[in-house]
Amino acid sequence: DSGVTQTPKHLITATGQRVTLRCSPRSGDLSVYWYQQSLDQGLQFLIQYYNGEERAKGNILERFSAQQFPDLHSELNLSSLELGDSALYFCASSVALGTSGENEQFFGPGTRLTVL
Amino acid sequence: AQSVTQPDIHITVSEGASLELRCNYSYGATPYLFWYVQSPGQGLQLLLKYFSGDTLVQGIKGFEAEFKRSQSSFNLRKPSVHWSDAAEYFCAVVPTGTASKLTFGTGTRLQVTL
Repeated sequence: DSGVTQTPKHLITATGQRVTLRCSPRSGDLSVYWYQQSLDQGLQFLIQYYNGEERAKGNILERFSAQQFPDLHSELNLSSLELGDSALYFCASSVALGTSGENEQFFGPGTRLTVL
Repeated sequence: AQSVTQPDIHITVSEGASLELRCNYSYGATPYLFWYVQSPGQGLQLLLKYFSGDTLVQGIKGFEAEFKRSQSSFNLRKPSVHWSDAAEYFCAVVPTGTASKLTFGTGTRLQVTL
């Protein structure tokens, strides 16, 4: 158990809908990262938040957005869902901002999103 | 272009045999290097990491990896594989001096035969 929790574990929805994925980081971790794992694209970094502020952005679609709240939990919002958005979405957390790279990320179990 | 490559998509080994999973990277400077394991239905677990220093890194579950600058490689090894090691293994990098977003290889699926 990494200490990172994600809810829900599974989500099934229809095209065009909007969903919210939730992540609670390990106690004391200030950085939260979101990754997407799909058959087509593999594991891809989406976005990073540090202490409530967006710090790095990867291949995140405009239909997707995220935020980190004062209690440090984070939510990833996916809207106007398409079939291709079906994937496993991971959240990870780390203690620091991580600009040195020497900053281990602990991964949650993921949320499996199925878009029908 | 910057990239991390795992040339083997799928590897099958017998239980008790040795294992080596390959990882090559293409970056201007040596990045920080990681190996993660993903068991079916599970999240990613860090096996080991290399930042600097000793080029042979020991990790959890009996795994080790060797950094070879001349070959731009960071291969994962285990002397004797157990059936429970069947999983998908990902090599990942973080370019030095950047934010800690991990860039993953495509993964190697390990099958262990009894």
